[in-house]
Amino acid sequence: QVHLVQSGAEVKKPGSSVKVSCKTSGDTLSSYSISWVRQAPGQGLEWMGGITPIFGTTNYAQKFQGRLTITSDESTRTAYMALNSLRSDDTAVYYCATDTTSHSPNGAFDIWGQGTVVTVSS
Amino acid sequence: DIQMTQSPSTLSASVGDSVTITCRASQSINSWLAWYQQKPGKAPKLLIYKASSLESGVPSRFSGSGSGTEFTLTISSLQPDDFATYYCQQYNSYPFFGQGTKLEIK
Repeated sequence: QVHLVQSGAEVKKPGSSVKVSCKTSGDTLSSYSISWVRQAPGQGLEWMGGITPIFGTTNYAQKFQGRLTITSDESTRTAYMALNSLRSDDTAVYYCATDTTSHSPNGAFDIWGQGTVVTVSS
Repeated sequence: DIQMTQSPSTLSASVGDSVTITCRASQSINSWLAWYQQKPGKAPKLLIYKASSLESGVPSRFSGSGSGTEFTLTISSLQPDDFATYYCQQYNSYPFFGQGTKLEIK
């Protein structure tokens, strides 16, 4: 059974960076892609990007190009999402998610992490 | 980007009712469409994938249909646990979600 466990809540200043982790179970990273989806307070879901470690590829939504870095560490079975130049409108819950039927970030996400609240405030 | 337009944004219904939510894609996505249910403070839950395939463990009162650009999610005989927010998501290309439909108790 695939599980995704995320790191805890973060409070950041505008202009700073945040790095959120997503610890996976078993051979998730060697089998599937991990995507990051965020949800601002009271708003909908927004796909940010994904990583497919078995292919060594990352894909980013155009909106986040240059500000978002997604990485993974297979030795610790952990994926990471780093967002820099934070603004107040980056305040959101950040989820990692995967489609366990696909190697692609273009998937129907059947497994989700519990979410990490990131608050950007001066 | 392939945009998704979901309607209505809010839907009021009673237990036992049948409801339908619509999702329209800005261009054809074949059948690469998923539906999710989300409750406050929780991660989304996958209900339907590939437009009409029911995810394991999801009650059969949930059904999806459509292909190309027009899709629907139907919930028959609403149960109290079904009142939540529903999202469509295309995955023909980089994933993109609809704006969501909040299903409220009438």
